[in-house]
Amino acid sequence: ETGVTQTPRHLVMGMTNKKSLKCEQHLGHNAMYWYKQSAKKPLELMFVYSLEERVENNSVPSRFSPECPNSSHLFLHLHTLQPEDSALYLCASSQATNLNTEAFFGQGTRLTVV
Amino acid sequence: GESVGLHLPTLSVQEGDNSIINCAYSNSASDYFIWYKQESGKGPQFIIDIRSNMDKRQGQRVTVLLNKTVKHLSLQIAATQPGDSAVYFCAERVAGGSYIPTFGRGTSLIVHP
Repeated sequence: ETGVTQTPRHLVMGMTNKKSLKCEQHLGHNAMYWYKQSAKKPLELMFVYSLEERVENNSVPSRFSPECPNSSHLFLHLHTLQPEDSALYLCASSQATNLNTEAFFGQGTRLTVV
Repeated sequence: GESVGLHLPTLSVQEGDNSIINCAYSNSASDYFIWYKQESGKGPQFIIDIRSNMDKRQGQRVTVLLNKTVKHLSLQIAATQPGDSAVYFCAERVAGGSYIPTFGRGTSLIVHP
């Protein structure tokens, strides 16, 4: 266990559904990240939060909406997704975005859009 | 992510052999590098890191080498074991206002017993 917990582990949703992915860390970290991992592609950074403020949005479609209510929790709200959005969504945290420290990853949510 | 890439997508080795996984990066402003291991069904896990003021760092059975002249990073695994089978990613952090890890494509290491 890395200290970063993601739920659910698996999610199947229709294109008209609304769902949310949850990430939780109790490591005392101030930075949290969402990554998308598709087959045969590098890990793609989606969003970065530092001290609960979004500091990076890598041209992610608006059907993905992040929320960081506090430094321990990060959500990814999903709405009217496309089949090509099916992927492993990984949450990570680190001490801060201005430090040379490793990121700790959760186990990921395997999302299938049907 | 686009500035970090891996030379080989798959590496097959025999148990007991040494493994070398390579990574190229293009951003000379990168000053911190991390190797992650991702096993099937799990998130990436930290293996070892190196700062740009070093050219070699050793851990338990792993060594990371950094060649800043050619912007090349390698991970050496000694006496590779079946449990080492995984996808290995290198990540770089670019010096500046934010240190946000970006990842290469990953190399799949397959260890044959």
